[in-house]
Amino acid sequence: TQLLEQSPQFLSIQEGENLTVYCNSSSVFSSLQWYRQEPGEGPVLLVTVVTGGEVKKLKRLTFQFGDARKDSSLHITAAQPGDTGLYLCTASYDKVIFGPGTSLSVIP
Amino acid sequence: GAGVSQTPSNKVTEKGKYVELRCDPISGHTALYWYRQSLGQGPEFLIYFQGTGAADDSGLPNDRFFAVRPEGSVSTLKIQRTERGDSAVYLCASSVVGVGEQFFGPGTRLTVL
Repeated sequence: TQLLEQSPQFLSIQEGENLTVYCNSSSVFSSLQWYRQEPGEGPVLLVTVVTGGEVKKLKRLTFQFGDARKDSSLHITAAQPGDTGLYLCTASYDKVIFGPGTSLSVIP
Repeated sequence: GAGVSQTPSNKVTEKGKYVELRCDPISGHTALYWYRQSLGQGPEFLIYFQGTGAADDSGLPNDRFFAVRPEGSVSTLKIQRTERGDSAVYLCASSVVGVGEQFFGPGTRLTVL
């Protein structure tokens, strides 16, 4: 059974702090996606990473795909309250699998 | 433009009843997905349609769950003899093709009493 693990499960930080969340699997991904979900809404795609070692930046968010394509990280610089939400990673094996998510709360 | 819409937004039913949940995907999207999300968890894959046919229904938990997409657009998720454990948010997503960015609807919150 392919599983995606995410850590930490919960994270509460002050506005302006930096943070990193992780997504890991024992399996190799062909690609991985990060989504953010706000309460009462569906997930919204942030980025897709495809190549091992790839780094993508989206404003204050930096996404990295591990060299072995088994793990990924999301780093947020100078977090803002608007970054609050559930951060989900997802990969496709024989079907689409989502990780359990990291619930981020940024306190003003 | 219009995104993915789901109706109803909330559904409360009694144990043993039948429910239907509707998803209107983005026009022109051939792929449609249903997920179930419990509190504090990531979405759990249920079924994937490519056009009118179910390309992968391996995530449906049992035969009480069934989904259709008769004209390759709107889809309905049907749950028979609902159980309290079916309570969750049911999410629908669509994409242009089978791989690529999925656009999610806001979900239907199902509560089985």
